[in-house]
Amino acid sequence: SQTIHQWPATLVQPVGSPLSLECTVEGTSNPNLYWYRQAAGRGLQLLFYSVGIGQISSEVPQNLSASRPQDRQFILSSKKLLLSDSGFYLCASNRDRVAGELFFGEGSRLTVL
Amino acid sequence: AQSVSQHNHHVILSEAASLELGCNYSYGGTVNLFWYVQYPGQHLQLLLKYFSGDPLVKGIKGFEAEFIKSKFSFNLRKPSVQWSDTAEYFCAVNAPDKLIFGTGTRLQVFP
Repeated sequence: SQTIHQWPATLVQPVGSPLSLECTVEGTSNPNLYWYRQAAGRGLQLLFYSVGIGQISSEVPQNLSASRPQDRQFILSSKKLLLSDSGFYLCASNRDRVAGELFFGEGSRLTVL
Repeated sequence: AQSVSQHNHHVILSEAASLELGCNYSYGGTVNLFWYVQYPGQHLQLLLKYFSGDPLVKGIKGFEAEFIKSKFSFNLRKPSVQWSDTAEYFCAVNAPDKLIFGTGTRLQVFP
């Protein structure tokens, strides 16, 4: 079965600093990969998804970007963090390209001060 | 555009009470529907899913959900909840290459 690793698990960063959250997937190949942000009362907001290396789709305009340098690696970045970037970020991978069913990582909690 | 609405944001029940969490979706294509659960301090995990066939689907831990196409609904039910069902529940609908989630329902069950 799939395992999704996210790091760091917790991060506190000042406004204006850069960000890099990393996600790697084991136990599958050529997955679709996703970055979601979870906020209380707002559910899971899809930020980016990728269907292959170098292919990134952005769902909402924002201060963040994503990259997929390898098949099972997905990175969430920012050049300059805003206070509003604080949140809980989840990486996910689909199961065998079956529509919809996702496996999730443990999440990365980002606090921007 | 695809969307999912969960109207119950916070539900409080006593053990043994019955549960029904509402979920309505908006999507023009063939739908696949899901309920995910997040127990305190744990990963999001799949509770049940509907792809096709019998509109009444059964999931883990005694949960079930009914797909009613005419109402664009996929409500989650459990006849008798337990304290261990305390969690956040998310309904989701597929779209090409992605999954759209609702805002979630926080369920608290008291002994």
